[in-house]
Amino acid sequence: DSGVTQTPKHLITATGQRVTLRCSPRSGDLSVYWYQQSLDQGLQFLIQYYNGEERAKGNILERFSAQQFPDLHSELNLSSLELGDSALYFCASSVLGGTGELFFGEGSRLTVL
Amino acid sequence: GEDVEQSLFLSVREGDSSVINCTYTDSSSTYLYWYKQEPGAGLQLLTYIFSNMDMKQDQRLTVLLNKKDKHLSLRIADTQTGDSAIYFCAAKRDLSGGYQKVTFGTGTKLQVIP
Repeated sequence: DSGVTQTPKHLITATGQRVTLRCSPRSGDLSVYWYQQSLDQGLQFLIQYYNGEERAKGNILERFSAQQFPDLHSELNLSSLELGDSALYFCASSVLGGTGELFFGEGSRLTVL
Repeated sequence: GEDVEQSLFLSVREGDSSVINCTYTDSSSTYLYWYKQEPGAGLQLLTYIFSNMDMKQDQRLTVLLNKKDKHLSLRIADTQTGDSAIYFCAAKRDLSGGYQKVTFGTGTKLQVIP
């Protein structure tokens, strides 16, 4: 158990819909990262937050947005869903500095029909 | 920009050694990692190496780093069927303000044949 909790584990929805994925980081970790894992594209970095502020942005679509709340949990919002958005979405957390190890949640599997 | 590349697939026989290779482009990388992803699970850190080291050994795992060629490898001795998984190489770069950026490779799927 990494200590990072993601909900829901599975989600099936239709094209055009909007979903919210939730992540609770490990106790004490201020940094939260979101990654998308598709079958043919490996692990793609989406966005990083530190203590409520956006710190880095990767290949995140404009239809997607995220935020980190004062209690440090984070939400990833995906809107106007397309078939190609079907993927595993991972959240990870870390402390600043040191070895920089990321602790991953078990992921949220999104299926868009 | 930063890039990390790995081969997509490796098949070995049980009991043999497995060697998974990775190349990265960012010479400013401070730590390099190997993560393991078992089916239906998240990524779990296997081992890491600091950029000023050449080698690190941890039980059946040996990590070799050639900083000049920006090449990282993971050797698994006496590979077992339980080692079947996807292995991700990752490189960390320190940013200003104490922040970091971690770039992952595409993952190498290791298949262990009994």
